[in-house]
Amino acid sequence: AQKITQTQPGMFVQEKEAVTLDCTYDTSDQSYGLFWYKQPSSGEMIFLIYQGSYDEQNATEGRYSLNFQKARKSANLVISASQLGDSAMYFCAMREGGYSTLTFGKGTMLLVSP
Amino acid sequence: DAMVIQNPRYQVTQFGKPVTLSCSQTLNHNVMYWYQQKSSQAPKLLFHYYDKDFNNEADTPDNFQSRRPNTSFCFLDIRSPGLGDAAMYLCATSSIRGATNEKLFFGSGTQLSVL
Repeated sequence: AQKITQTQPGMFVQEKEAVTLDCTYDTSDQSYGLFWYKQPSSGEMIFLIYQGSYDEQNATEGRYSLNFQKARKSANLVISASQLGDSAMYFCAMREGGYSTLTFGKGTMLLVSP
Repeated sequence: DAMVIQNPRYQVTQFGKPVTLSCSQTLNHNVMYWYQQKSSQAPKLLFHYYDKDFNNEADTPDNFQSRRPNTSFCFLDIRSPGLGDAAMYLCATSSIRGATNEKLFFGSGTQLSVL
């Protein structure tokens, strides 16, 4: 079974609008971490935001926020005021407890239009 | 300034001809990772080093090897590349291993083509 599921292969948004990228996860661990990475066409994976399973508040980093719904096991990324430079592949990832490694979802391609 | 540097950016090799990809880091991180990412797929972990301790993923083919001669450098060796090995290879580092908030720093990747 997939541990990270991103159901949106592609998303379109107009510049300056907000967009939500979906991510659901599957784990039986109580302690885990959730990450979002951005991968532009240049190839480099860029860290965006992190949410710990015990964090009570949703993480925010500038225009990025993570809508963490623990009971639903979802960790959606919200990008406010989209910019043309936000066009990229976005990956949700999880690390479970106990020295586990980072597992990525299949990604969502975001295209921002003028 | 780039902190995780991968060379070359593009690599073309022939079927069955050994190839080496390199990664260097200026972060002095203990952990280095190699991921394989095929087109439109999630990055897949091949192996990682914690200092000199090598950790292979169970499903990584024997065709893939790695070397870490010192903290700064890590190499990915593909002994006999097949057409199915054409992919983007991503190197990443982190300062700690095992914490759930361990953040990875990635290089720009090497796109490998096999002819």
